[in-house]
Amino acid sequence: SQQGEEDPQALSIQEGENATMNCSYKTSINNLQWYRQNSGRGLVHLILIRSNEREKHSGRLRVTLDTSKKSSSLLITASRAADTASYFCVPTGNAGNMLTFGGGTRLMVKP
Amino acid sequence: GAGVSQSPRYKVAKRGQDVALRCDPISGHVSLFWYQQALGQGPEFLTYFQNEAQLDKSGLPSDRFFAERPEGSVSTLKIQRTQQEDSAVYLCASSLPLRDSPLHFGNGTRLTVT
Repeated sequence: SQQGEEDPQALSIQEGENATMNCSYKTSINNLQWYRQNSGRGLVHLILIRSNEREKHSGRLRVTLDTSKKSSSLLITASRAADTASYFCVPTGNAGNMLTFGGGTRLMVKP
Repeated sequence: GAGVSQSPRYKVAKRGQDVALRCDPISGHVSLFWYQQALGQGPEFLTYFQNEAQLDKSGLPSDRFFAERPEGSVSTLKIQRTQQEDSAVYLCASSLPLRDSPLHFGNGTRLTVT
């Protein structure tokens, strides 16, 4: 298994603004997943992007993946106070379903 | 259907006591994971089961930690002779065995060792 490193560690924005979080990893991957954790709902899977995909959308979420740079980004558009949470990127290699979490990005959206 | 269920939700133990934490995965999910999460940190991998087989226990911090899943469904994480540094939230997750399957997490058990 391998670990993603999120950047920045913390991000504070106003409601309605966009939030961008970045992720870097070290070795080749099969896919990369993003998870969200807030105090009310625990850890929730947001989106998965496969290594042969470059961009994926889900509602207000947009994920990009650049395997040549070993990086991914998560964009949340038109943020809401309810988006306040920690966000984790989890790269998955070919070893199977082993998911290792980094420290995450703590996003605060101010109303 | 129901999600991953963990019990108890909160557990307070005196130092030296043994504790047992339970996880009921989603029905049909053959993969089951345990994570430990300290305050302000990301979840740390503890161990992984596929059905009843414990395929990886490399994350268990000491031999005081033991996990089992005897019938390939419910899992128990046992911590013997608890120490203060064991205080954390213990998360259980389950998934289908497919490579691209996301993890479904329970709400965790918050363990406080006094």
